[in-house]
Amino acid sequence: DQQVKQNSPSLSVQEGRISILNCDYTNSMFDYFLWYKKYPAEGPTFLISISSIKDKNEDGRFTVFLNKSAKHLSLHIVPSQPGDSAVYFCAASAYISGTYKYIFGTGTRLKVLA
Amino acid sequence: DAGITQSPRHKVTETGTPVTLRCHQTENHRYMYWYRQDPGHGLRLIHYSYGVKDTDKGEVSDGYSVSRSKTEDFLLTLESATSSQTSVYFCATVGQGYNEQFFGPGTRLTVL
Repeated sequence: DQQVKQNSPSLSVQEGRISILNCDYTNSMFDYFLWYKKYPAEGPTFLISISSIKDKNEDGRFTVFLNKSAKHLSLHIVPSQPGDSAVYFCAASAYISGTYKYIFGTGTRLKVLA
Repeated sequence: DAGITQSPRHKVTETGTPVTLRCHQTENHRYMYWYRQDPGHGLRLIHYSYGVKDTDKGEVSDGYSVSRSKTEDFLLTLESATSSQTSVYFCATVGQGYNEQFFGPGTRLTVL
C-alpha cells in the first residue's frame, strides 16, 4: 500500500516554461511535506518543504502547494532550466513515537529541454 | 549539508557473504536512517536510529541489521548477502527540532 504516490514517472518541459510535479498521499497523520532533487550517482538533496498548516511555500523559482482536503501537493518550477533536469522525490513526514518518520514517493524524472 | 559520508561507495560481493556499510556524520544529529533505492520503488526505509543504541525496523528490514554505538556512526549489516539486496543504499540524518532529512552520497552494492 503506497501512502505517497507520484503518478508521473517522467516529465519533459521546454526551457523557460513551468514544470509542475505532482504528489498524492493517503494518510492524514502526515504533517510535513518535502521535495528532494536527485542527480545520478548522488544522494537526494533537500529542495523545499511545507508544513500542513500552510498551503503555499516559495523559495526562488520553486513553489510548493498543498491541498489538504485533496491530500495533494505539487511543486512548481518557474522558469525551468536545463540544470533542473533530475529525479524529484516527494516525501511525507510525521513525528511518531519519538521519531521522525518519512515516506517517499517513487520519483518523477524531469527533463528540461534547451 | 550534514557532513554525511558513506563507505564504501561501491562494493561487489558474492551471495552468502557478510557485508557492512558505514554511515558517518559530523553534525551530531540524533536521528539516522538507512534507505535503499530501487527502480520503481523510490526510497524505502530499512532501519532507523533515534539515539545511541536505540534502533528500530523500517518497512524492508528483513535480512538487515544495524548498530549505533556512537552518535556519529550508523552501521548497516547484511549478514548473508543475497542478489535481491543489490541496490543503492543511502544514509540520512535529521537534527533535533528540524524536519528536513539530509542524505549521504550513497553506496552502490552489487551481490553476484
